[in-house]
Amino acid sequence: QVQLQQWGAGVLKPSKTLSLTCAVSGGSFNDYYWNWIRQTPGKGLEWIGEINHSGSTNYNPSLKSRVTISIDTSKNEFSLKLRSLTGADTAVYYCARGLRFSYWSGDLLYYNQYGMDVWGRGTSVTVS
Amino acid sequence: DIVMTQSPESLAVSLGERAAIHCTSSESLFYSSNNKNYLTWYQQKPGQPPKLLIYWASTRESGVPDRFSGSGSGTDFTLTISSLQPEDVAVYYCQQYYTAPYTFGQGTKLEIK
Repeated sequence: QVQLQQWGAGVLKPSKTLSLTCAVSGGSFNDYYWNWIRQTPGKGLEWIGEINHSGSTNYNPSLKSRVTISIDTSKNEFSLKLRSLTGADTAVYYCARGLRFSYWSGDLLYYNQYGMDVWGRGTSVTVS
Repeated sequence: DIVMTQSPESLAVSLGERAAIHCTSSESLFYSSNNKNYLTWYQQKPGQPPKLLIYWASTRESGVPDRFSGSGSGTDFTLTISSLQPEDVAVYYCQQYYTAPYTFGQGTKLEIK
C-alpha cells in the first residue's frame, strides 16, 4: 500500500524559506505526478504545483516566483521550497500522488493528471 | 484561472435521505479529444487530508461506496449521496483538472439533520 510521509519545519519567520519533503513508499514512483497542496481556513484548498519522475514541473502562477518543487528518484522523495514567506503562507501543507492518464491525439501522446488518490497527513506551517 | 463554485455552502440531510452537492466551473471541463470531463470530487473529514471519491465527473474511485455518484458535463456537475450515512458527515470539494492551476471549489459542509 502506497504511503506518503512528509516532514519539515512547522514554525518559520517572515522572509524565510519553507522546506518540506515527502517520501513515497510502497509503490511505483515513475507513473504518477507528485503534488503539493495547501489549505487555509480563509482560502480553502490551493494547488501549489506538480512534478513528474523526469523532473518536469508545473506551478500555480500565483506562487511561481517563490516556489521550487524538486524530486530525488534515488530516494523516492520530492520536496517543496517556498521562499520569502509572509503570514499569508500560514497553512496546512499536503503532499499527494497524482493519477496520470495518457492518450493519443493524432500523432501526439498526451499526459494529464486527473485526481490525487494518496495524500500525506499534512504539515501545519505557521509564519510568525 | 478556472473558478469553481459549489452550492450550497452547507447542507443538512436526514439519515437515509439523498444529498446533492453542485459544482459549476467558469469554463467547460470537457476534453473533446478524449471525451472526458476533468472534474474530481473529494471528501474531507476533520483532521484528515482529502479523500478521492470520483474522477472524470462520474467514475468512482476503487473502494468508494456506490451510494456516491457523480454526474454532469461541461460546466455543471453534481455529487449525489443516495442514502446518507453517519460516516458521510464531511466537507466535500470539487476540483478541476482541465488546465493548471488545478482549482478547487470552496467546499460544501454536509451534516446530519
